[in-house]
Amino acid sequence: AQKITQTQPGMFVQEKEAVTLDCTYDTSDPSYGLFWYKQPSSGEMIFLIYQGSYDQQNATEGRYSLNFQKARKSANLVISASQLGDSAMYFCAMREGPTDSSYKLIFGSGTRLLVRP
Amino acid sequence: NAGVTQTPKFRILKIGQSMTLQCAQDMNHNYMYWYRQDPGMGLKLIYYSVGAGITDKGEVPNGYNVSRSTTEDFPLRLELAAPSQTSVYFCASSYAPTGVSKNIQYFGAGTRLSVL
Repeated sequence: AQKITQTQPGMFVQEKEAVTLDCTYDTSDPSYGLFWYKQPSSGEMIFLIYQGSYDQQNATEGRYSLNFQKARKSANLVISASQLGDSAMYFCAMREGPTDSSYKLIFGSGTRLLVRP
Repeated sequence: NAGVTQTPKFRILKIGQSMTLQCAQDMNHNYMYWYRQDPGMGLKLIYYSVGAGITDKGEVPNGYNVSRSTTEDFPLRLELAAPSQTSVYFCASSYAPTGVSKNIQYFGAGTRLSVL
């Protein structure tokens, strides 16, 4: 079974509108971390936002926020006020296990976002 | 702000050739990782290292070798290249995982490798 599922291969959004990119995960470990990375056409992987399984509040970083629904095992990325530069691939990833003993990230297959002017 | 530096950016190999992908970081991170990204897919972990002299296998280690003689460098060696190794390779690094560091991994720009 896939550990990280991103069901939207591609999405469009109008500039200045908000968009939600879906991510569901599967783990039986009570301690885990969820990450979102952006991969523009230039190819590099850029860290966007992190949510720990024990964090009480949803993570926010500027225009990025994470809609964390633990019971549903979902960690959707919300981008507010989309910009043309937001056009990229977006990957959800999970670290299973406590922060101090787990190193591996498991990645989803990604969502390609295109922002229309 | 160099961060994680990978060389080369592009390379074409013939089947059976060998090469080393270089990775260096200047952030004094203890942990380093190699991933591969196949077309239309997410990243898969090849090898990782928790410090100089210590390496361990990830999800897809076959056909690769690594060494970590210094904190800064973590080269990936491909022996007897095969078409199945055509991929984009990413090196990443992170601080020693703690509750504060969250083990956020920072990536290099990638090496695009084709084996023909």
